[in-house]
Amino acid sequence: DAGVIQSPRHEVTEMGQEVTLRCKPISGHNSLFWYRQTMMRGLELLIYFNNNVPIDDSGMPEDRFSAKMPNASFSTLKIQPSEPRDSAVYFCASSSSGTSSYEQYFGPGTRLTVT
Amino acid sequence: SQQGEEDPQALSIQEGENATMNCSYKTSINNLQWYRQNSGRGLVHLILIRSNEREKHSGRLRVTLDTSKKSSSLLITASRAADTASYFCATAPGAGSYQLTFGKGTKLSVIP
Repeated sequence: DAGVIQSPRHEVTEMGQEVTLRCKPISGHNSLFWYRQTMMRGLELLIYFNNNVPIDDSGMPEDRFSAKMPNASFSTLKIQPSEPRDSAVYFCASSSSGTSSYEQYFGPGTRLTVT
Repeated sequence: SQQGEEDPQALSIQEGENATMNCSYKTSINNLQWYRQNSGRGLVHLILIRSNEREKHSGRLRVTLDTSKKSSSLLITASRAADTASYFCATAPGAGSYQLTFGKGTKLSVIP
């Protein structure tokens, strides 16, 4: 299995631009998570989906952030408009509820820099 | 809010020594997991211990869980330079929720 795939790996953009991060979970996994990691705040859960349905988006910082999961093999996290404080590493992770262990498999992350 | 809090924040040891990291949490859990993150990479699952277990081993890893004290420890024996990474504990509340809550991690440096 290829593992969780994220793209792009690095993104540099100017303040005010729209940013779209992409994630392909492990085939057969039915839960998908978006996290943000910074030195100051550590690893924060932004949103998670179960069977393509958003279950908890309380971690989404504000309306500038939105996430979709149109099918079981693809999810996007969009920031519009982006701001310098959004600079962070964004991780996607997936897991299978069938295991009952809640173990999550992380992608390599997207390093976002907003100037 | 962060459920797990690791201690210490940073740890530096010589190769061959044992490394012990601690994690405390606040609410009841279904299980507790430890993850490793190498610099510039995603987190990798290491080991899981369920709330009804007290100790678990996997290779050079030993995890303990004390639910009465709401704490866990991760012991890495005979450390290697390749063990240099950040280590995170994560708690799973269970009850149908698949969320994990991660601590801020312990940064381990193993000096060759």
